[in-house]
Formats: sequence, structure tokens, C-alpha cells
Amino acid sequence: EIVLTQSPATLSLSPGERATLSCRASQSVSSYLAWYQQKRGQAPRLLIYDASSRATGIPARFSGSGSGTDFTLTISSLEPEDFAVYYCQQRDNWPLTFGGGTKVEIK
Amino acid sequence: EVQLLESGGGLVQPGGSLRLSCAASGFTFSSYSMSWVREAPGKGLEWVSSISSSGGTTYYADSVKGRFTISRDTSRNTLYLQMNSLRAEDTALYFCAKDQYLAYYFDSWGQGTLVTVSS
Repeated sequence: EIVLTQSPATLSLSPGERATLSCRASQSVSSYLAWYQQKRGQAPRLLIYDASSRATGIPARFSGSGSGTDFTLTISSLEPEDFAVYYCQQRDNWPLTFGGGTKVEIK
Repeated sequence: EVQLLESGGGLVQPGGSLRLSCAASGFTFSSYSMSWVREAPGKGLEWVSSISSSGGTTYYADSVKGRFTISRDTSRNTLYLQMNSLRAEDTALYFCAKDQYLAYYFDSWGQGTLVTVSS
């Protein structure tokens, strides 16, 4: 099973700041990695797929990069609605796995 | 607009069974693989099971293999999850998800149905 480790667990930032979230895989997942945003009490929302492709309707301030074992989600300038939990997920191998999540909170 | 509506959750005793349903609309159901993902209280997301667009191929997390069965009924545009031999650790909010075309990413989600396993 591929283990995805997200860091940091919590990121405390102010609106307008840049957020950089990390996801590290225990073995290569090529570029088969996605990022999701989940707000409290809501279902997750797909943000990025195949490491760097934005899903439909996702603002350009969200960007993804990386390949192999190291991936990054960047939010260029945090908006109030961006404070949430973010998960990475790989589809390179079964079973599909998620990372443990990074909570982006208001400083 | 894609809509996924889960139902069938509830309180069940350890060892009991439940069948979850997910009614899908707004897309060609038969063209997409579908999945179940769960979120235990205070925990993160855990993939549970996926089924191919034809229904001919299924995948399961080790934690549910042999106890859960995923299926789909194209005539009803409905996805199912039959859960047997339920354990306390199966307590979670269960989400139905539509997979991205030809890729097991989850591009649309239902709001979830809560399963509580407790005596």
C-alpha cells in the first residue's frame, strides 16, 4: 500500500498569504496524484488532478506541482473561503490512498 | 448538474448489516466508474471501494474486503454498498463519489450518509 504523508499537519496563515502544502508518497506514483479541499460539514471537492491540472471551476490561485514521490499544492494568495482541510490522493496503485490531511487555519 | 444522493445509513449493532444506496443524476451513469469513500469521526478520508463503469471490475480496501460488496444498477442509475459483519471501526460518514472519466479521482461527491455501529 502506498502511504501518503502530508505536512505540515496544520498551517496557520493570514488572508492574502501564500500557502504551500506538501504530500510525500512512500513510493513513486508518477503524476497520478490529486488534491481535495474539504470544509467543515461539507463533502470534499476535487481541486487538482494528475499533479498539476486544475479541475473544472477551480480558481487559478490553486496550483499543483511535483512527480514521483514529492508533490506540492500552492495557494498563491489565501482567500477567506480557502481555510479548510486539504487532502492528497494517489491513483497509481490499488488500494487508492489518501494522505492524512493538512488543515489551513486563520492565524 | 451532477447529483449524488446517498441513503441507507443508520444505527446498527456490531455484526449487523446495512445496504447503502446512491442515486445518481445529471450524467451518463453507465459511462463512469463510481466509488465509496468514508470519513470516521475526527479522522481523515479513507477510500472504501470502487466499481468500473460496466460493473465487471470491483476493488476494495483491505479493511472491508470480504465484508462489503459494491454493485451498480444502470437501469436505476444507482450505486450500492452492501455492508455485512459490521464493526465499531466502520462507524463513519459514507460518501458516494463519481470518478473522473477513465481515472479513479473523485470529481463529484454526495453529502454522505452516516453509519453508526454500536451496541
